Amino acid sequence: GQSLEQPSEVTAVEGAIVQINCTYQTSGFYGLSWYQQHDGGAPTFLSYNALDGLEETGRFSSFLSRSDSYGYLLLQELQMKDSASYFCAVTGGYNKLIFGAGTRLAVHP
Amino acid sequence: EPEVTQTPSHQVTQMGQEVILRCVPISNHLYFYWYRQILGQKVEFLVSFYNNEISEKSEIFDDQFSVERPDGSNFTLKIRSTKLEDSAMYFCASSRGGDTDTQYFGPGTRLTVL
Repeated sequence: GQSLEQPSEVTAVEGAIVQINCTYQTSGFYGLSWYQQHDGGAPTFLSYNALDGLEETGRFSSFLSRSDSYGYLLLQELQMKDSASYFCAVTGGYNKLIFGAGTRLAVHP
Repeated sequence: EPEVTQTPSHQVTQMGQEVILRCVPISNHLYFYWYRQILGQKVEFLVSFYNNEISEKSEIFDDQFSVERPDGSNFTLKIRSTKLEDSAMYFCASSRGGDTDTQYFGPGTRLTVL
């Protein structure tokens, strides 16, 4: 089968750094994406890793290790508006994204 | 910045009725997708569409579902005879390329089947 595992909830305070891990097991792999979703909203693209290593986009960074089938999203200088659900998703071939169950991030003052 | 748009934002229908959900993908994108998200659950792939044909579909996408690109801008999802369990948020997405390209999602249509 195909599965992605990520923590269900993470809590942090404003200004802190938080890391959301994702491990995957899929039959095909082109890359790992991260999406942010606020309640009632659409998934918004954050980052994509096709190769091993770290990708940095402002306060957000994403890491991939293909050999470990593992990636993470790092959020720095947390703000209240970062409170949302974060999904990792694998592009596994045949033009489809396979999503994890999502991690609900709560940022407190 | 170009974005994917969807109409309506909310659709309420009776069980057994047909619904058509509409999407306008980003104009220079070639790959189109439908996903659904049941409340509180993860986003699930339904179907991908390229070059006027389905390129992949999930087991959810049974004979009750169909997709169409009726003109150069719209992309539709039809559910022929809705069931209670079809109640969900339906997201359209598009990408310029296939597997190696980012998919951008629309705001979604909340479908409620009574």
